[in-house]
Amino acid sequence: ETGVTQSPTHLIKTRGQQVTLRCSSQSGHNTVSWYQQALGQGPQFIFQYYREEENGRGNFPPRFSGLQFPNYSSELNVNALELDDSALYLCASSGQASYNEQFFGPGTRLTVL
Amino acid sequence: SQKIEQNSEALNIQEGKTATLTCNYTNYSPAYLQWYRQDPGRGPVFLLLIRENEKEKRKERLKVTFDTTLKQSLFHITASQPADSATYLCALGVGGSGNTGKLIFGQGTTLQVKP
Repeated sequence: ETGVTQSPTHLIKTRGQQVTLRCSSQSGHNTVSWYQQALGQGPQFIFQYYREEENGRGNFPPRFSGLQFPNYSSELNVNALELDDSALYLCASSGQASYNEQFFGPGTRLTVL
Repeated sequence: SQKIEQNSEALNIQEGKTATLTCNYTNYSPAYLQWYRQDPGRGPVFLLLIRENEKEKRKERLKVTFDTTLKQSLFHITASQPADSATYLCALGVGGSGNTGKLIFGQGTTLQVKP
């Protein structure tokens, strides 16, 4: 069983640029959630995808968008990057047999200069 | 306003003692609550889930309680070991069903177990 993987591991961008982060869910999991974690804080829910449809969104502006593919992998896109977008971005998947138990990837560390 | 709060100060205890971590929330009606462990530079790892109609759950040295009247969960690690040193996150489950729904995380409490 393959765990959740994310790419890239680290990324440095400048303000105003766009970024795409990628996530492969754990085998058999059809739900992917994305979180933003600032230093010293808990993860903040960005949105969730279930069977390729957005299934709930947190308090993030529309410049945060996502996709889920037929194989349940997912992308997080952030446009017009701001300095405050610097954070660890976590992807988590959950399977049909679970009670929303999240399996997290290692995260992508995004730095916006 | 809606809030979820964990002890902001780090918890330092001696090996072998019981660590107790607190999670309080206001203006949420969670269907369940989860606890995760997070090590530096890594993603959180699921530990335990407790549903709104359950008072207590145990798993090996871990115990979690859930009081929906007090709006509080307590997480206990008995016979603590230095390897238990990490940040522990509580998360409220709201909305959704089955394996979907939103998780609202607290800011985490850092536990340091000294030998």
